[in-house]
Amino acid sequence: SAVISQKPSRDICQRGTSLTIQCQVDSQVTMMFWYRQQPGQSLTLIATANQGSEATYESGFVIDKFPISRPNLTFSTLTVSNMSPEDSSIYLCSVEARGGFHGYTFGSGTRLTVV
Amino acid sequence: GQNIDQPTEMTATEGAIVQINCTYQTSGFNGLFWYQQHAGEAPTFLSYNVLDGLEEKGRFSSFLSRSKGYSYLLLKELQMKDSASYLCAVRPPGTNAGKSTFGDGTTLTVKP
Repeated sequence: SAVISQKPSRDICQRGTSLTIQCQVDSQVTMMFWYRQQPGQSLTLIATANQGSEATYESGFVIDKFPISRPNLTFSTLTVSNMSPEDSSIYLCSVEARGGFHGYTFGSGTRLTVV
Repeated sequence: GQNIDQPTEMTATEGAIVQINCTYQTSGFNGLFWYQQHAGEAPTFLSYNVLDGLEEKGRFSSFLSRSKGYSYLLLKELQMKDSASYLCAVRPPGTNAGKSTFGDGTTLTVKP
């Protein structure tokens, strides 16, 4: 199954600033997914990133706050903009593994703390 | 929409068997996943059920009843390293197949 390199692994940021998270996949994938996992909670899908088109955002998430780039089939970035302490969370990218019948492969996650 | 329920916490003894339940009410269904997530790490895939019945994979088994909206993950011969959060996730059908909805997870603590 695919291997995903995600960075940074963690960061501490000042409120009002922005952080860009990168995910590199070792194979070409059509869709990449960005999730957020707040402390003690489960994963919430932020958006689906498709190569060559705009990302599709879930309810409660907007492009101005979480702009996504998908320049090719192996790479995507998620930016957390104008951060506030409420954005402190773990952010994960994922791709389907082997047609989706073997679940999803996740990146190692980015632990973001906003102070 | 999707509504998924799992117990918040469970405790079991090393060497024992534990069953983690998951119930769901969904507007569409195309399979159910179980993931394991150790503290501070990303989730890792355990199993996928799309048809009714039991799927066995080593010490882990997963069961699905679509008519009851119910699944369980069975862990046998528990080891200390099995202490983790276990997430069930429902896969919707159609073009949104990539958008699984996750339950809040069950934190399993294995004690000596």
